[in-house]
Amino acid sequence: DGGITQSPKYLFRKEGQNVTLSCEQNLNHDAMYWYRQDPGQGLRLIYYSQIVNDFQKGDIAEGYSVSREKKESFPLTVTSAQKNPTAFYLCASTGVELNTEAFFGQGTRLTVV
Amino acid sequence: KNEVEQSPQNLTAQEGEFITINCSYSVGISALHWLQQHPGGGIVSLFMLSSGKKKHGRLIATINIQEKHSSLHITASHPRDSAVYICAAPRNTGNQFYFGTGTSLTVIP
Repeated sequence: DGGITQSPKYLFRKEGQNVTLSCEQNLNHDAMYWYRQDPGQGLRLIYYSQIVNDFQKGDIAEGYSVSREKKESFPLTVTSAQKNPTAFYLCASTGVELNTEAFFGQGTRLTVV
Repeated sequence: KNEVEQSPQNLTAQEGEFITINCSYSVGISALHWLQQHPGGGIVSLFMLSSGKKKHGRLIATINIQEKHSSLHITASHPRDSAVYICAAPRNTGNQFYFGTGTSLTVIP
């Protein structure tokens, strides 16, 4: 079955360390997204990519980096520059046509101690 | 002001009750999405609708584009319906979304 796979589900890191979250999709979607979710807040866009080797900053890109070397993969690195990295991170993908259905991963809960 | 507003924020219902969750948006859109997030965190797309009404099992979604309002109804609610329900409006650029903050539903047996 097609879908999006995020790994790991839970991640613990020490403050000051970079950490990379994995997102893989086999839906043949061109567009992929990373969102951050904090308690009581809506999902906020970190980065998105609409084509391989290209990506754009979202609303809260500071302290994060991404790459899109393959269509299927869109890893997110949470760098030590991110001041409040502890959060729930969701990856999503869509087709590039307007109003296509969005598919989401199961999320990664990152805790920085 | 958020582009997408949901109400109520929290909802507790007895099993079997009819449930309504509301979503109002301030942006011009051609379609609206309803999403379901279970306690584990994963999100599933329930509906994408641009007009009228859609039905899937016990779930019904309606939208009024002119009034910029959508509702999600759950008939004969069941404890397994307990989840956070999120409405999302596509932005003009690409397929990014404005997300509501979600409605946390708890259905008690």
